[in-house]
Amino acid sequence: AIQMTQSPSSLSASVGDRVTITCRASQGIRNDLGWYQQKPGKAPKLLIYLASTLKSGVPSRFSGGGSDTDFTLTISSLQPEDIATYYCLQDHNYPWTFGQGTKVGIK
Amino acid sequence: QVQLVESGGGVVPPGRSLRLSCAASGFIFRDYIMHWVRQAPGKGLEWVAFISHDGNTKYYADSVKGRFTASRDNSKNTLFLQMNSLRGDDTALYYCAIPFTSGHLDYWGQGALVTVSS
Repeated sequence: AIQMTQSPSSLSASVGDRVTITCRASQGIRNDLGWYQQKPGKAPKLLIYLASTLKSGVPSRFSGGGSDTDFTLTISSLQPEDIATYYCLQDHNYPWTFGQGTKVGIK
Repeated sequence: QVQLVESGGGVVPPGRSLRLSCAASGFIFRDYIMHWVRQAPGKGLEWVAFISHDGNTKYYADSVKGRFTASRDNSKNTLFLQMNSLRGDDTALYYCAIPFTSGHLDYWGQGALVTVSS
């Protein structure tokens, strides 16, 4: 199975800061990657798919990049409502695999 | 609107079985593939299973292969997860989810909690 290594596991930043989360695949997955946001007690929410395509309705401060093995999720200006845990998910082949998650907090 | 509602969770002793259901509405269920994802308490997300629109193709996480079986009843718009030989590390909130427009998991249910404990 493809392993997804996500970093950091947690971070704290100030409102307005630029935040970047990375995900590395154990083998090439083209751009077959999505990013999810999960708030406490809620189901995950899809933010980005195909590594860089923003899902309709998701704020434009979220962006995704990368291909093959290295991917990033960037929040250009962190907002209080962005406090959540973020996960990458590869859908290149089965079994699909998630990264371990990044918990984002406010400093 | 798309709605997914899981049911069937509960407390079960190790080694026993449980079947989860996911009732779907708001879309043509038989046209869509479906997934199961779980989350142990305080832990990250784990993909569990995939089932094709007609139920003929299935894939599983290594951790559940041979013990869990996904199925569906397209006449009743319902997805199932039969879980056998349950272990303590199967304790989790189980979500059904659908790749509706993007190929990724656009819609999720609210989850069904399974606790494996004696």
